[in-house]
Amino acid sequence: AQSVTQPDIHITVSEGASLELRCNYSYGATPYLFWYVQSPGQGLQLLLKYFSGDTLVQGIKGFEAEFKRSQSSFNLRKPSVHWSDAAEYFCAVGGTGAQKLVFGQGTRLTINP
Amino acid sequence: NAGVTQTPKFQVLKTGQSMTLQCAQDMNHNSMYWYRQDPGMGLRLIYYSASEGTTDKGEVPNGYNVSRLNKREFSLRLESAAPSQTSVYFCASSDTETQYFGPGTRLLVL
Repeated sequence: AQSVTQPDIHITVSEGASLELRCNYSYGATPYLFWYVQSPGQGLQLLLKYFSGDTLVQGIKGFEAEFKRSQSSFNLRKPSVHWSDAAEYFCAVGGTGAQKLVFGQGTRLTINP
Repeated sequence: NAGVTQTPKFQVLKTGQSMTLQCAQDMNHNSMYWYRQDPGMGLRLIYYSASEGTTDKGEVPNGYNVSRLNKREFSLRLESAAPSQTSVYFCASSDTETQYFGPGTRLLVL
């Protein structure tokens, strides 16, 4: 069965510092991988996705993620965070056509001024 | 372009009451989904519809029914609400690559 683990429930970083959010997945075939962001009281917004090809993918708002098949990971990174990045971040895995996504538990990001 | 819209935004029910959550999308997507979000559990799929006229159970379908009224609309019905159904409900629709989410309905069952 497919599953996603986000080991960090809550992360706090200082504004301007670098960020890495971890995501490990279990999936029997070639996975489709996604990162979504949710601001308080809002729906989910797609940050980036990986289907195939270059394992380093660029997304919106300066985020990037790297797919590492050998480690079953798809970690999200940002070189320098801004106060507006404070939100909850979800990693998700699915099969062909973005169907039936399985989400991780989420990582809440707090930014210190 | 409204994307995915959900009504109502917030609802309070008493145990045993029924209600229908509405969802509509204007992106001409074939697939639509209903999720629930609970603290520490991420989003869990309740039901989905791969195309107009079809629906299938997801991970947590018990206590819910759905209707794919047409290509645009996908409703979620709670026939007899229970406190365990207190949650935030999200509707989504997808093209072949990405799911797009609505703003959510916050439901409180007393």
